[in-house]
Amino acid sequence: AQSVTQPDIHITVSEGASLELRCNYSYGATPYLFWYVQSPGQGLQLLLKYFSGDTLVQGIKGFEAEFKRSQSSFNLRKPSVHWSDAAEYFCAVGMTTDSWGKLQFGAGTQVVVTP
Amino acid sequence: DAGVTQSPTHLIKTRGQQVTLRCSPKSGHDTVSWYQQALGQGPQFIFQYYEEEERQRGNFPDRFSGHQFPNYSSELNVNALLLGDSALYLCASSLAGGPNYGYTFGSGTRLTVV
Repeated sequence: AQSVTQPDIHITVSEGASLELRCNYSYGATPYLFWYVQSPGQGLQLLLKYFSGDTLVQGIKGFEAEFKRSQSSFNLRKPSVHWSDAAEYFCAVGMTTDSWGKLQFGAGTQVVVTP
Repeated sequence: DAGVTQSPTHLIKTRGQQVTLRCSPKSGHDTVSWYQQALGQGPQFIFQYYEEEERQRGNFPDRFSGHQFPNYSSELNVNALLLGDSALYLCASSLAGGPNYGYTFGSGTRLTVV
């Protein structure tokens, strides 16, 4: 069965430290890959996406993600975290064979930033 | 340029009642998708509308129905509400053609069933 896994439910990081959020997927082929961020009471904001080509993708707010086909992973990173990065982060996949764009989301990782 | 607009932002309903949620897509978008996000979980796909027809449906019962209007706006209807229907309902708009065309999400409607 197709699935998206975010192994870390909760991560606490100090301001200024680096951050890495993990995402693994299970699909028959390479899907479209996305990372979204959700602040409390808000909708989802797209951080970055991967469709093909360069496996290191740059996004907004200083985030980047690396696609590793051999590991079926699409991990999100940020070199230096700011207090405003505290939020919930969702990895999502879309099937390349799906012409209608349904997304499947992971359960999310809650990021807490400490001073 | 307005993004995706959802109304109402919050509402409380009693078990067994019916509810209608509304969504206006981003200007230029023609496809509307609805997602349910229960507390502490990721969004789950409910269904998607294009050209006023349901194009895809997730694993939700028939109590969940929708509609798309000629101006591309959409409604989500839930009948016979259950306590488990309490969630944040997100609307996302896009252009038809696949996930590579990108979604824009609204801020959601928080539904509480008591």
